[in-house]
This record gives sequence, C-alpha cells and structure tokens, in this order.
Amino acid sequence: ETGVTQTPRHLVMGMTNKKSLKCEQHLGHNAMYWYKQSAKKPLELMFVYSLEERVENNSVPSRFSPECPNSSHLFLHLHTLQPEDSALYLCASSPGGAGGLYNEQFFGPGTRLTVL
Amino acid sequence: QKEVEQNSGPLSVPEGAIASLNCTYSDRGSQSFFWYRQYSGKSPELIMFIYSNGDKEDGRFTAQLNKASQYVSLLIRDSQPSDSATYLCAVNEGGGGNKLTFGTGTQLKVEL
Repeated sequence: ETGVTQTPRHLVMGMTNKKSLKCEQHLGHNAMYWYKQSAKKPLELMFVYSLEERVENNSVPSRFSPECPNSSHLFLHLHTLQPEDSALYLCASSPGGAGGLYNEQFFGPGTRLTVL
Repeated sequence: QKEVEQNSGPLSVPEGAIASLNCTYSDRGSQSFFWYRQYSGKSPELIMFIYSNGDKEDGRFTAQLNKASQYVSLLIRDSQPSDSATYLCAVNEGGGGNKLTFGTGTQLKVEL
C-alpha cells in the first residue's frame, strides 16, 4: 500500500451512531490533517497533527474527535452527528512538522459520509 | 477572515488551447501557493507549488505568482480532455504552521 489510505470509503450512519474514520499514510510524513469538503464550499481544515501533537483545532464541534496514536495513523471519531455533517472527509499528510511553510500536502481518497 | 478567491467557472477551452486559471488571496503575508486538480468524485491531487514571484514551469503546466498584486495563476498548455477537472488554489499563511486555505475551485472543461 502506498500514499495515503482512508477507510471506509463510504459510510452511512444515523444521528445516534458512533463511528470512526481511519487514515494511514505510508510516506514517512510528520504531519497529518483532516479536512471536510461540502458541495460548493471550499475545503475546510478541521484538525492538524504535527509529530503526533494536535496543533490546530479549527473550531470544530465536539461531536468530531480526532486521535493520532502515531505519525502514520489518524482517526476521526464521530458521535451524534447532524445531517449537515454529510460531506467528503479527506485526510492529508505532509513531510514536515509544525512551522513548515513549504510542505506540500498529499490527500487520501476520502470517506463519503452520509448522516441520516 | 483570510480568503482565497477563484472563479467557479465552468471555463471551457478547446482541445489544444491554453487554459488560464486565476486565484487571488487576501493575506499579504502568505508565503507559499499550491495548485491541486480534483476530478469528480476523487480527492485533490497536487499539480505544483510556487513560492517566489515569477513563473514556474513543469511540463504543460506553468504557475505564475505576483505577490504585490496578490494573485497566482495556472496555465495549462495544449489542453487535453483529460485536463477537465476542478482546479483548487491553496495558500499557506505566513507566521509558521502549515495551514492551507483553499479556494472553491474553478471547473475546467476541455472540449473536443
């Protein structure tokens, strides 16, 4: 497996469910990111982890909870979501840690989430 | 609020023509600039990045940066139908950190 992988690729959940999205990067990168992409809106940065430390939490509701157990894995735990949370959730990684201005970000394929 | 603006399009060009995609940004302290291509139903794919004023060429793609005017553009020469996609401009703020602000993207259609 190469690059950035995400599972599951599609997820349908009810508002009372608890689920988790998983991201794994095989690039030896030090930073990982969660983005939300909704139709007709720009990519929204949710969380940034650098060297396993959360360095950015972009005013995301507490029903989204990230976890980064090591530099290769990133999770997004979901609970009591709302229908407006339905979107494409993208994970990305970049080579450098915090403070790197010139770090290209590489994206995984995304998880298409539908909240009923 | 730091913003990145792109014309949503669609921008239609004939096959073989030059496609010109533009992006403006509000934060004068921005340091690095990225162009991503996103096919429908797929994730963004990095095309190229630019840090210095001027042009940067990579194959059929040329990125142009003008920090004084706060715009960055992407030229695609000899456009092909496979170039039809949405092109996202992303800007990295200055002051440390690796936070990218994305535009909404420009949809490009290359017609036969």
